[in-house]
Amino acid sequence: NAGVTQTPKFQVLKTGQSMTLQCAQDMNHEYMSWYRQDPGMGLRLIHYSVGAGITDQGEVPNGYNVSRSTTEDFPLRLLSAAPSQTSVYFCASSYQFGTQYFGPGTRLTVL
Amino acid sequence: AQTVTQSQPEMSVQEAETVTLSCTYDTSESDYYLFWYKQPPSRQMILVIRQEAYKQQNATENRFSVNFQKAAKSFSLKISDSQLGDAAMYFCAYRPIIQGAQKLVFGQGTRLTINP
Repeated sequence: NAGVTQTPKFQVLKTGQSMTLQCAQDMNHEYMSWYRQDPGMGLRLIHYSVGAGITDQGEVPNGYNVSRSTTEDFPLRLLSAAPSQTSVYFCASSYQFGTQYFGPGTRLTVL
Repeated sequence: AQTVTQSQPEMSVQEAETVTLSCTYDTSESDYYLFWYKQPPSRQMILVIRQEAYKQQNATENRFSVNFQKAAKSFSLKISDSQLGDAAMYFCAYRPIIQGAQKLVFGQGTRLTINP
């Protein structure tokens, strides 16, 4: 049981490039979400999903896109990377009213 | 909007002693969850303890316990018999039950140092 996995662990992008952060969970959780963590701050919600085919915006959704075609996977797309998107990104999953379990994070730097 | 405030950016404690981390939150909801997460240097977010707002009894997990004061909207974490492995960032988080089961709202964090 791997829990929540994220790839890559580290990524460096140039301004304007696009990329996809991968997230997968093997716990059959309905809910998945993406957070970003900036220095000196707690995690802030970017997007979340309550099940396959259903997504919604969180607190800081601009510049990011998500889709959920399967229960297991919830990728996060950066459409045109900007230096303000330099951050650590966490994926999390849970049952409907359960505790959220977090992946190990992806450290993204945009130059 | 719900907010979570951790007023102590840094705390330190001697090994084997007890330390309390503070957290206050603001919400108009009556039913919700509160959490404490630990983030060691590895960056992994680890659940420490969870409290359901409808439960009057304070949650405990081994050396970790909370003091939940619903009327005061306060949720402090007590760590007893502090160990070197407890050194980490600690985040308090709130999640409403009615609106958006996914929406965890985090505080800014408290960095805990354990002195040997």
